[in-house]
Amino acid sequence: KAGVTQTPRYLIKTRGQQVTLSCSPISGHRSVSWYQQTPGQGLQFLFEYFSETQRNKGNFPGRFSGRQFSNSRSEMNVSTLELGDSALYLCASREAGFQETQYFGPGTRLLVL
Amino acid sequence: DQQVKQNSPSLSVQEGRISILNCDYTNSMFDYFLWYKKYPAEGPTFLISISSIKDKNEDGRFTVFLNKSAKHLSLHIVPSQPGDSAVYFCAASADKLIFGTGTRLQVFP
Repeated sequence: KAGVTQTPRYLIKTRGQQVTLSCSPISGHRSVSWYQQTPGQGLQFLFEYFSETQRNKGNFPGRFSGRQFSNSRSEMNVSTLELGDSALYLCASREAGFQETQYFGPGTRLLVL
Repeated sequence: DQQVKQNSPSLSVQEGRISILNCDYTNSMFDYFLWYKKYPAEGPTFLISISSIKDKNEDGRFTVFLNKSAKHLSLHIVPSQPGDSAVYFCAASADKLIFGTGTRLQVFP
């Protein structure tokens, strides 16, 4: 099976702009989670989608949002970008249950200038 | 609050020796624990996991130990190889994955 794919791999934006990142999970996986990785904070959970519904949410401002489509593909949107949003954004998928292993994509490196 | 802690930011081990990476957690609701390995600019790669009903899980050179009373888990790599050099994250799950801050392992010849 193909792994988790994320597009684009690299992105440069300026403050105030918005950005949309895309994630295609492993075939058959219905859960998609998003994480932000920064040098100081490690990997921080953003949210999880399961069957097109947000199942869980981390402690991020409302500027961070997401959605999931019927084919389990997911998008993450960040509006009104701030310098501190520069990070590696990782997507992970799993079949369904909370005790199932999450498999990560390669990430999207976002730089906000 | 940091629910999952990796107190050693780095570890250096000679090739062939044992690498022991440690992780502590505070939330007794965690019921599933995982270790991931990460190279720069790549996504984490799953290594090994353990359910809270077990105290040990082994997969080749990798063994994870769970001590629920101490809220502590560890990853043993035996023997260590230069290709094991990476950042290792432990993660704990209840309804979502909480990651530690990572330990950079360097295996030298």
